[in-house]
Amino acid sequence: NAGVIQTPRHKVTGKGQEATLWCEPISGHSAVFWYRQTIVQGLEFLTYFRNQAPIDDSGMPKERFSAQMPNQSHSTLKIQSTQPQDSAVYLCASSLEGNTGQLYFGEGSKLTVL
Amino acid sequence: QQKVQQSPESLIVPEGAMTSLNCTFSDSASQYFAWYRQHSGKAPKALMSIFSNGEKEEGRFTIHLNKASLHFSLHIRDSQPSDSALYLCAVRGTGNYKYVFGAGTRLKVIA
Repeated sequence: NAGVIQTPRHKVTGKGQEATLWCEPISGHSAVFWYRQTIVQGLEFLTYFRNQAPIDDSGMPKERFSAQMPNQSHSTLKIQSTQPQDSAVYLCASSLEGNTGQLYFGEGSKLTVL
Repeated sequence: QQKVQQSPESLIVPEGAMTSLNCTFSDSASQYFAWYRQHSGKAPKALMSIFSNGEKEEGRFTIHLNKASLHFSLHIRDSQPSDSALYLCAVRGTGNYKYVFGAGTRLKVIA
C-alpha cells in the first residue's frame, strides 16, 4: 500500500495564476479530507468528502477555492487567482469510515505564490 | 465552532525525561481525541487515540482524557531524540468526521 499520494510536491505560481493539486487516497478509504498548514495558522480544515460526496466545506475560502472528487481514487483542490496568502502546505488525508477514525496523511503539496 | 488549543507551544527536554503535552477543546459533545506526530518535512502520523474518559498506554506513550475538564494530554516516558517533532492534537465532534487540530507543540529532546 503506497499510502496517500499527493502531486505535485512543490508548486510555484505567480500572483493571479491558477493552481490545481491532486490527491489519490488509500484504496478502500471512503473519507477524503483537505487541510492547509502554515506556521502561523497551523493545520486548518478546508473540506471533506465521504463516498465521493462533499460533506463539509466550511473551511474553504468560497470565492477562489474549489474541491472535487470525480471518482473514489482521485480528488482535486483548485485555487483560482492565487494570492501570496495562499502559500502553504496543502495536505490530503483519507480514512476508513467508522469510530476508529484515524487519518492517513499524504506528504503534502507545498504551494508558493510569488 | 470547536476550538482546540495546545500548550506549551514548544518544549525542550533532556533524553530520558518525562514529557507532558496538553490539549483543551471547547465542545463537550466531542467524541474522538487523538495525537499526531509530524517530523520536519513529513506527513503527520497518528500516535494514539481515545474515545472515553480515562487513560490508555501504548509503550512509552500514555494518553489521558477528562471530558468534564475539556482536556486531554499525552505523556511520553523516557523521551528520546527521535521523539523530537511537532505534536498535534485532534478532536472530532458529533455528526460528522471533521477533525479540528490544535496549533501544535514543538518538542525537542536533547541527548
